[in-house]
Amino acid sequence: QVQLVQSGAEVKKPGSSVKVSCKASGDTFNSHAITWVRQAPGQGFEWLGGIIPFFGTANYAQRFQGRVTITADQSTNTAYMELSSLKSEDTAVYYCARGVRSTSYYFDYWGQGTLVSVSS
Amino acid sequence: DTQMTQSPSSLSASLGDRVTITCRASQSISSYLNWYQQKPGEAPKLLIYAASSLQSGVPSRFSGSGSGTEFTLSISSLQPEDFATYFCQQSSSAPWTFGQGTKVEIK
Repeated sequence: QVQLVQSGAEVKKPGSSVKVSCKASGDTFNSHAITWVRQAPGQGFEWLGGIIPFFGTANYAQRFQGRVTITADQSTNTAYMELSSLKSEDTAVYYCARGVRSTSYYFDYWGQGTLVSVSS
Repeated sequence: DTQMTQSPSSLSASLGDRVTITCRASQSISSYLNWYQQKPGEAPKLLIYAASSLQSGVPSRFSGSGSGTEFTLSISSLQPEDFATYFCQQSSSAPWTFGQGTKVEIK
């Protein structure tokens, strides 16, 4: 049974950073990617980046390059997403999801989401 | 980036109705198209991957079709638990992008 459990809600000031964790059960870390997606209030989804924990290599959406850092700790089966220089527009629910590459690249298991609120 | 456009943005339907949602890509994405369902306050759920493959455990009333730039998600007979928002997502080229969603409401 695959489960992704994320850390709790965060309230941050503009200009600060936030780090969200995603703990995976099952064999996710050995064979799949972890991706990070966000959903602003009433909006669609936006992909931030992902990592293949087995290799430790991360890739990022260009618009977040330099502001987002995704890491993974294989010893604890936990992935992390850190977003810096926060702005009010970064207020969103942040999700981690398992990425599976087969006939398509899709996200089959999702964390419960972490609300990050940015306000002065 | 590949832009994904869904239509309609919302629809009202009755139990038992057949519902079709369209997703168009700004460039050809072959069959690298996935569909998700999201209910309020919940994480998305994968329904269809690779345009037409049904994810394990998803009822067979859901089906997907299309290739290139135009795709459809169909629900053959709408059930109470199907009232939700549906999103498409392309995985042809990074950054992976999503449609803006189609909200299916009760008529």
